[in-house]
Amino acid sequence: NAGVMQNPRHLVRRRGQEARLRCSPMKGHSHVYWYRQLPEEGLKFMVYLQKENIIDESGMPKERFSAEFPKEGPSILRIQQVVRGDSAAYFCASSPTVQNTEAFFGQGTRLTVV
Amino acid sequence: GENVEQHPSTLSVQEGDSAVIKCTYSDSASNYFPWYKQELGKRPQLIIDIRSNVGEKKDQRIAVTLNKTAKHFSLHITETQPEDSAVYFCAASPIGNFNKFYFGSGTKLNVKP
Repeated sequence: NAGVMQNPRHLVRRRGQEARLRCSPMKGHSHVYWYRQLPEEGLKFMVYLQKENIIDESGMPKERFSAEFPKEGPSILRIQQVVRGDSAAYFCASSPTVQNTEAFFGQGTRLTVV
Repeated sequence: GENVEQHPSTLSVQEGDSAVIKCTYSDSASNYFPWYKQELGKRPQLIIDIRSNVGEKKDQRIAVTLNKTAKHFSLHITETQPEDSAVYFCAASPIGNFNKFYFGSGTKLNVKP
């Protein structure tokens, strides 16, 4: 089991471009969570998805951010028209159920907006 | 929503000493409290956790205590070693979804050899 895989590990985008961050959960895990970590800060919940469904997006900014977890393939966090304030580390975590208490985090994608 | 506060933000101890990190939470419905260790540039890793029906849990040099009435929980590391140096995050999660975490702001622990 390769663990939670995120790619790319590092992503540089110019202001106004789009950023696509990918997360492949651990095998057998159908629940994916995205978190954002600003420099020198804790992780902030963004969105919780199951296959083909957004369950809780209470932490997502209202504009420019979207997430999906299709039936086939990885979960995608998409940021349109990036701004410098979007520079952060984005982590995803996966679990087999909501009742499983050990969420496994990926290595994160460090987004830098220049 | 839930609000988790963590103190101190930085902690420096001598190797062999104990370290204590404290967190408070606001939502009495929260019932699962994990602690994560994050080394520079790496993923958060679970080191210990506690559920609200337990007051204390220990795993070798690491222990966590929970006071539901006061809504606070603490991480205790004994006999600290240089490899314990990292940022530690506490978190709380609500009933019904153990993996939707509200994290504290982190404590940077430095263990001096």
